[in-house]
Amino acid sequence: DSGVTQTPKHLITATGQRVTLRCSPRSGDLSVYWYQQSLDQGLQFLIQYYNGEERAKGNILERFSAQQFPDLHSELNLSSLELGDSALYFCASSPRQDTQYFGPGTRLTVL
Amino acid sequence: QKEVEQDPGPLSVPEGAIVSLNCTYSNSAFQYFMWYRQYSRKGPELLMYTYSSGNKEDGRFTAQVDKSSKYISLFIRDSQPSDSATYLCAMSDYGGATNKLIFGTGTLLAVQP
Repeated sequence: DSGVTQTPKHLITATGQRVTLRCSPRSGDLSVYWYQQSLDQGLQFLIQYYNGEERAKGNILERFSAQQFPDLHSELNLSSLELGDSALYFCASSPRQDTQYFGPGTRLTVL
Repeated sequence: QKEVEQDPGPLSVPEGAIVSLNCTYSNSAFQYFMWYRQYSRKGPELLMYTYSSGNKEDGRFTAQVDKSSKYISLFIRDSQPSDSATYLCAMSDYGGATNKLIFGTGTLLAVQP
């Protein structure tokens, strides 16, 4: 158990809908990262927050947004969902820049 | 060309074999190198972490980094069926131009009892 929690574990929704994925980092970790993992793309970095502020952006679509709250938990919002958004979404947290600890992931299925 | 290349496998070995997993990369600024293990439908788990060049050993696992060749390896000795998983290499130039963790696509390993 990495200490990173993610909810929900599974999410099934329809195209065009909006969902919110939640992540609680390890105690004391200020950085939160979001990744998308699909079969054909591997693990893709989406966005990083550090102590409430956006720190780095990766291949995140404009339909996706994230935020980190004062209690350091983070939410990833996915809107206008498409079939191709079906994937595993992971959150990771880190105590410093060089190591990241991953949560169990949220499996999103868009029908 | 991808920044990090990793043979996707699958790699199948008998129990007790020595396993060699490799990644090559193109960005000479990478200084931090990691190996993650991912069981099916689970989150990646940090296995090994190395800064710059050299070797690091942890039990049955040895990580090697050769920055001159832009090549990193993970060796697993006395492999066990419980080692069956996908192994992902990852690297970064934290503080530099990339400043994020770049993952390989992963190698699927199956250790046969």
